[in-house]
Amino acid sequence: GDSVTQMEGPVTLSEEAFLTINCTYTATGYPSLFWYVQYPGEGLQLLLKATKADDKGSNKGFEATYRKETTSFHLEKGSVQVSDSAVYFCALSDAGNNRKLIWGLGTSLAVNP
Amino acid sequence: DVKVTQSSRYLVKRTGEKVFLECVQDMDHENMFWYRQDPGLGLRLIYFSYDVKMKEKGDIPEGYSVSREKKERFSLILESASTNQTSMYLCASRTRQALGYTFGSGTRLTVV
Repeated sequence: GDSVTQMEGPVTLSEEAFLTINCTYTATGYPSLFWYVQYPGEGLQLLLKATKADDKGSNKGFEATYRKETTSFHLEKGSVQVSDSAVYFCALSDAGNNRKLIWGLGTSLAVNP
Repeated sequence: DVKVTQSSRYLVKRTGEKVFLECVQDMDHENMFWYRQDPGLGLRLIYFSYDVKMKEKGDIPEGYSVSREKKERFSLILESASTNQTSMYLCASRTRQALGYTFGSGTRLTVV
């Protein structure tokens, strides 16, 4: 079945460093792809999404490009802030299974001042 | 903005108790979901509902049941709470056409 694999954390960076969190997927169809963020003690919030190949999702300085040829949707930010410390989840919408979201395990990011 | 409200942020219950976790959304969403989140295991789907009075088992339904008598409310029931049900519980909803979910803030349940 469809699946999502994220790089394991925790990831620790200094403020203003460049961030990449890798996400690859396996899907039989043409899924939509998502990044969600969970701040400490909170639920998940949609960060960005892409619905077709070569689409780039962006929000709050974060970007991710839907790469069908490498089945990837890596999250990037050019300069992280302390306030970006959170857990980041990659997910795909399974078009063939009532469009339920299939989740990666999450990557914890800690940004130090 | 769509709001998904979970009735309690923190809950402590005793082993064997019947526990109700409530989730209410205010934007007429058809689909609603219950997940549990545990360290190292990510999000695991317990039950979901595509519309009123409809329910389907997710990946880990054992020990849980659900109720969806009104469109806006989706209740998760722990029939007889056990310590291995100590977890963060997350509710989510979306319209039938949407792709992504809107989440509540979560309920951290401790069973002692």
